[in-house]
Amino acid sequence: EAQVTQNPRYLITVTGKKLTVTCSQNMNHEYMSWYRQDPGLGLRQIYYSMNVEVTDKGDVPEGYKVSRKEKRNFPLILESPSPNQTSLYFCASSLGGGLGEKLFFGSGTQLSVL
Amino acid sequence: AQTVTQSQPEMSVQEAETVTLSCTYDTSESDYYLFWYKQPPSRQMILVIRQEAYKQQNATENRFSVNFQKAAKSFSLKISDSQLGDAAMYFCAYDRDDKIIFGKGTRLHILP
Repeated sequence: EAQVTQNPRYLITVTGKKLTVTCSQNMNHEYMSWYRQDPGLGLRQIYYSMNVEVTDKGDVPEGYKVSRKEKRNFPLILESPSPNQTSLYFCASSLGGGLGEKLFFGSGTQLSVL
Repeated sequence: AQTVTQSQPEMSVQEAETVTLSCTYDTSESDYYLFWYKQPPSRQMILVIRQEAYKQQNATENRFSVNFQKAAKSFSLKISDSQLGDAAMYFCAYDRDDKIIFGKGTRLHILP
């Protein structure tokens, strides 16, 4: 089954404790992206990747890191989480950015930073 | 920079009635794509409908259709014969090159 697998679904952590949210897709998609969803602000793009070893900043990249060492995986790293990073995070993938292809989304990670 | 604006944070519609959700966007490009995504309480993101900017014909998917006005940069979603399962957050999205930009969303309530 074609899917984007995102883990964990829920995460509670404390300020400053490094964490990683994993994202993996099994569709051989070139494009992968991370979004955060906050009430009243919609989905805002954090980082995206057009292919392996190619990543770029979205609209809200501060405090986040990503890597794309393999085509299928695109982890999101918070090296020193802060309470303002409490949010619902989505990973998504598609055949390619700018091609009008449907985005496949993971099931989301609800992160709480205390 | 491209922007996507959904001016209605919340809307309500009676079951079986028709409702229209608004979306406007700003771009200087002529070729791009527009989407509507639905997010029910399960929070899963579901593609509702897709429109190619170079196609004048409005996209339709069963009870869902769009009114795409390219000159006005408007992309509204019409839901006909509203059903309880249509209750969700709806996001308009713009796709051009490597950035896919979403609006802030419209929460749609269906009144039985």
